[in-house]
Amino acid sequence: NAGVTQTPKFRILKIGQSMTLQCTQDMNHNYMYWYRQDPGMGLKLIYYSVGAGITDKGEVPNGYNVSRSTTEDFPLRLELAAPSQTSVYFCASTGRGAEAFFGQGTRLTVV
Amino acid sequence: AQKITQTQPGMFVQEKEAVTLDCTYDTSDPSYGLFWYKQPSSGEMIFLIYQGSYDQQNATEGRYSLNFQKARKSANLVISASQLGDSAMYFCAMREYGTGGGTSYGKLTFGQGTILTVHP
Repeated sequence: NAGVTQTPKFRILKIGQSMTLQCTQDMNHNYMYWYRQDPGMGLKLIYYSVGAGITDKGEVPNGYNVSRSTTEDFPLRLELAAPSQTSVYFCASTGRGAEAFFGQGTRLTVV
Repeated sequence: AQKITQTQPGMFVQEKEAVTLDCTYDTSDPSYGLFWYKQPSSGEMIFLIYQGSYDQQNATEGRYSLNFQKARKSANLVISASQLGDSAMYFCAMREYGTGGGTSYGKLTFGQGTILTVHP
């Protein structure tokens, strides 16, 4: 069972560049989430989705965009990367009432 | 609005003793779930325990138990017989299930975390 797969695991971006963090799950979960975690801090919700075609903003959506065209995939797009977006990004998915399964995380550095 | 609060930035416990990690929450939705996750220094998120808002009994999973006090809106994690491997960051989280018609349907929100250090 693959669970939640995030790619890439590491990435260095230059200021102003763009990139997409990929997240896919094979558990047919409706709910998917993107978080960022700064060093020593908690997880802050960026965007979430309750099903294909439906997305909503979390606590810190500025500078990010998402789409959910299929149940399996929930990519996170960073436009015009800034140093403040240096963080570890986690994707998660869950079915109704069940635990959330997390990807291994993407460590992003913007220089 | 959904909110999760962990007021203990760090906790210390002696090996083999019990420790309680505090978590309070705020929601207007009558149907919600409460979770605890462990994040060791390697960074992965490990699910520990779950409590539904309508569950009559406190959840238990091995050495982990959740002290659920609904009226006080608290969901404290109790770890019994602490082990050195329990040293990690611990997060409380909540999901609303939308039966109250709130705007946070499906949102999964985490607290700030508590760093637990177990001393030998």
